Amino acid sequence: GNSVTQMEGPVTLSEEAFLTINCTYTATGYPSLFWYVQYPGEGLQLLLKATKADDKGSNKGFEATYRKETTSFHLEKGSVQVSDSAVYFCALSPPGGGSQGNLIFGKGTKLSVKP
Amino acid sequence: GAVVSQHPSRVICKSGTSVKIECRSLDFQATTMFWYRQFPKQSLMLMATSNEGSKATYEQGVEKDKFLINHASLTLSTLTVTSAHPEDSSFYICSAEAGFQETQYFGPGTRLLVL
Repeated sequence: GNSVTQMEGPVTLSEEAFLTINCTYTATGYPSLFWYVQYPGEGLQLLLKATKADDKGSNKGFEATYRKETTSFHLEKGSVQVSDSAVYFCALSPPGGGSQGNLIFGKGTKLSVKP
Repeated sequence: GAVVSQHPSRVICKSGTSVKIECRSLDFQATTMFWYRQFPKQSLMLMATSNEGSKATYEQGVEKDKFLINHASLTLSTLTVTSAHPEDSSFYICSAEAGFQETQYFGPGTRLLVL
């Protein structure tokens, strides 16, 4: 079946450090891949997405590349800020069309950035 | 951006009682709303999908008679946990989709504790 595995947190970094949060998936065909972010006290927000192999999603300095060969969608940022402290969720939407409602989420990775 | 609210944010109830959780899209009409459940340190699990004016579609293993969903308008969906038990204690999150395969906008979640 379809599943998402992401690195367990919490991840604690100093400001301006490089961030990588690993995410791998299992799916048949070509799913769409997403990263969502949840800031304290708020709902999940779409951070970036990629819908086909080799696509790179980017937003707010974050990037993730859809790697079919390694079934991965790792999230990266070159220089994190305190304001990036949040929980990050990797998710996939199975191939074959249909609503995004079929989102399958990873467990989430909590990131804490210290000044 | 689009905003989705949930009410209440936290609720404590006695075992055997029913609890209603509201999900509202504040600045857009949601053709589809989704209800998720999240256990501590676990992924968000889709419980059901609701379309305005029609019956909700429940995921396998979710009791439709226990988790009643009503999507009465394009801006409001409600989830009623009937005859709640301690094992129903969880974090319930809704999301709303403006159009078919559009981005989902998530609410901040409702934490339910059943004593």
